[in-house]
Amino acid sequence: DAGVIQSPRHEVTEMGQEVTLRCKPISGHNSLFWYRQTMMRGLELLIYFNNNVPIDDSGMPEDRFSAKMPNASFSTLKIQPSEPRDSAVYFCASRLTGIGTNEKLFFGSGTQLSVL
Amino acid sequence: QKEVEQDPGPLSVPEGAIVSLNCTYSNSAFQYFMWYRQYSRKGPELLMYTYSSGNKEDGRFTAQVDKSSKYISLFIRDSQPSDSATYLCATLPGGNSGGSNYKLTFGKGTLLTVNP
Repeated sequence: DAGVIQSPRHEVTEMGQEVTLRCKPISGHNSLFWYRQTMMRGLELLIYFNNNVPIDDSGMPEDRFSAKMPNASFSTLKIQPSEPRDSAVYFCASRLTGIGTNEKLFFGSGTQLSVL
Repeated sequence: QKEVEQDPGPLSVPEGAIVSLNCTYSNSAFQYFMWYRQYSRKGPELLMYTYSSGNKEDGRFTAQVDKSSKYISLFIRDSQPSDSATYLCATLPGGNSGGSNYKLTFGKGTLLTVNP
């Protein structure tokens, strides 16, 4: 298995532009997470999907952020309009939810986002 | 107080040293305790996990949990330059913790460098 695949690896954009980050989870996994990582705040959970349904989006900073999971093999995180404070590494992670597997999160390599 | 506190380091040791990495947590509902390792420009990967209190050993790595003092430790014996990475502790509630047992809470990570 190729693991969790994220694209793009790097994104540089200007303030006010729309940014779309993409994620392909591991086949067979039924939970998907979007995290943001910064030096100051560490790893922050933005949103959690289970069986393609958003369960917890309390970590989404504000209305500028939105996430979708139209099917089991694809998810997007969109920022519109982007701001410099959104600069961070964004990770997608997936897992198979269940006893004995809940703790096993598989992360992608992340998208390094820079908003100028 | 953050739910999981971790000294960010950095920690620099010579090859062959014993390394001790630690976290404290505040939520008594946490039952699962994980250590993730994150290499530079990569996503975190699960290194070890334990359930409730006690020790777990895997090769040169030992994870230890003391629930009475809410203290989590990771020991690395005979450290190698390839162990140089950021180590993140993470916790997960057990059972039916108000439906939040999907939500891993991460420490900010400790940057470890093992010098040849």
